[in-house]
Amino acid sequence: NAGVTQTPKFRVLKTGQSMTLLCAQDMNHEYMYWYRQDPGMGLRLIHYSVGEGTTAKGEVPDGYNVSRLKKQNFLLGLESAAPSQTSVYFCATQGGGGDEQYFGPGTRLTVT
Amino acid sequence: RKEVEQDPGPFNVPEGATVAFNCTYSNSASQSFFWYRQDCRKEPKLLMSVYSSGNEDGRFTAQLNRASQYISLLIRDSKLSDSATYLCVVNPWNTGFQKLVFGTGTRLLVSP
Repeated sequence: NAGVTQTPKFRVLKTGQSMTLLCAQDMNHEYMYWYRQDPGMGLRLIHYSVGEGTTAKGEVPDGYNVSRLKKQNFLLGLESAAPSQTSVYFCATQGGGGDEQYFGPGTRLTVT
Repeated sequence: RKEVEQDPGPFNVPEGATVAFNCTYSNSASQSFFWYRQDCRKEPKLLMSVYSSGNEDGRFTAQLNRASQYISLLIRDSKLSDSATYLCVVNPWNTGFQKLVFGTGTRLLVSP
């Protein structure tokens, strides 16, 4: 089992470009989350989903959109990238009645 | 005031030493507490949950003090492989899904 995977692993964007980050899980977990991690700051929740077809805003949702059309996939979109969105993005899942969140390996995004 | 505060370190200790980290949280209604470990440029992974009665897992002991709103992690007989950043994590919500609040992490360096 792959667990939680993220694509791409690295990306460089120019200001104003758009892109979609994909998170895929084979753990059959209901809950999925998108975080960003910046130096000197803890991981911050961008958006989350409590099930297929549902999404909700987290702490820092501005500039991002998400979709969860299938239970196993959670997409994070940047419509018009800004340098402030340079960060490491982590996807996480949780389910099976447990508290543990399982993280993907991360996507390193640089916006120039 | 940050919701979850940790000393960023680094804590430099020799192999075999005992080291302790503390973390404070601001929301007195917080429901669940965790320590996650994050290796350099990797994803966070759950180290242990923190229970009100305190809990131990091998060389690791976690304590919760609700009255003073702090969590501690004690590592005995430190190993080189313990070198990592330790994230204090709090869930302020009483829900099945976890809208976690992360501290910025405490860096531990164990030397030979």
